[in-house]
Amino acid sequence: GAGVSQSPRYKVAKRGQDVALRCDPISGHVSLFWYQQALGQGPEFLTYFQNEAQLDKSGLPSDRFFAERPEGSVSTLKIQRTQQEDSAVYLCASTTPGGRYGYTFGSGTRLTVV
Amino acid sequence: AQSVSQHNHHVILSEAASLELGCNYSYGGTVNLFWYVQYPGQHLQLLLKYFSGDPLVKGIKGFEAEFIKSKFSFNLRKPSVQWSDTAEYFCAVKEGNNNAGNMLTFGGGTRLMVKP
Repeated sequence: GAGVSQSPRYKVAKRGQDVALRCDPISGHVSLFWYQQALGQGPEFLTYFQNEAQLDKSGLPSDRFFAERPEGSVSTLKIQRTQQEDSAVYLCASTTPGGRYGYTFGSGTRLTVV
Repeated sequence: AQSVSQHNHHVILSEAASLELGCNYSYGGTVNLFWYVQYPGQHLQLLLKYFSGDPLVKGIKGFEAEFIKSKFSFNLRKPSVQWSDTAEYFCAVKEGNNNAGNMLTFGGGTRLMVKP
C-alpha cells in the first residue's frame, strides 16, 4: 500500500487482558520497527525486524511484550496481561535498507488499559 | 546509548514570526539526522533529513535545518511561520553506519502553537 497501516486505531483493554496490535508496512520495506509513545513524550524504540528476523528487541519493557513478523511483511505486537503503565500509542515504522529515504510511520494504535 | 535533547518543550509564536527549534544529540560518531512533524491527530511525517554533504538541509513546507558537528546540533528553522505549522516537532538521530537495523532515537518533542 501507499503507507504503513496499523490496526486497530484505538484499543481499550481491561487490566490483565492480552492484546494484539497489527502493522502492515510499505510493500518492499524489509526493515520494520515498533515504537511506544507515552503521552507528551517522544517515541521510544521497542524492537526491530529485518524481513522475518527479529534483530533487536532491546527496547521491549518486559517479557509480557512479544513481537513477530513470520513472513517478513505484516508484524504483530502482542502484550500479555496488560497493565496500566502499558497505556500509550504504539507506532510502527518501515524503511528500505539504510533508511536513506526516511522512516515511514503508521498512524499508531492508541492503547488504553483500564 | 545515544540521547537526543529538545530543550524547548513548548513554543508559542505569532504568524510571520521566525522559528528555531533546538536539537542536540550525544553520539560522537557519524550520524544521520531527521526532523519529523506530527499534526494534531495525524501520524509522524518526515520534514527533512541529513545523511551527508551540505550541512544546511532544506525540507518541505519551507523548513530547513543546519547540522553543526562541533556543537552536536541539528536545529530546525523557518523564516516565517503560519498558523498551519501548529504541531509537535521531533528531532531524531540514527547512527550513520548504513546499517539498516539502526533505530531512530527521538527527542522529547517541541509543541509549537502559532497564533493567527
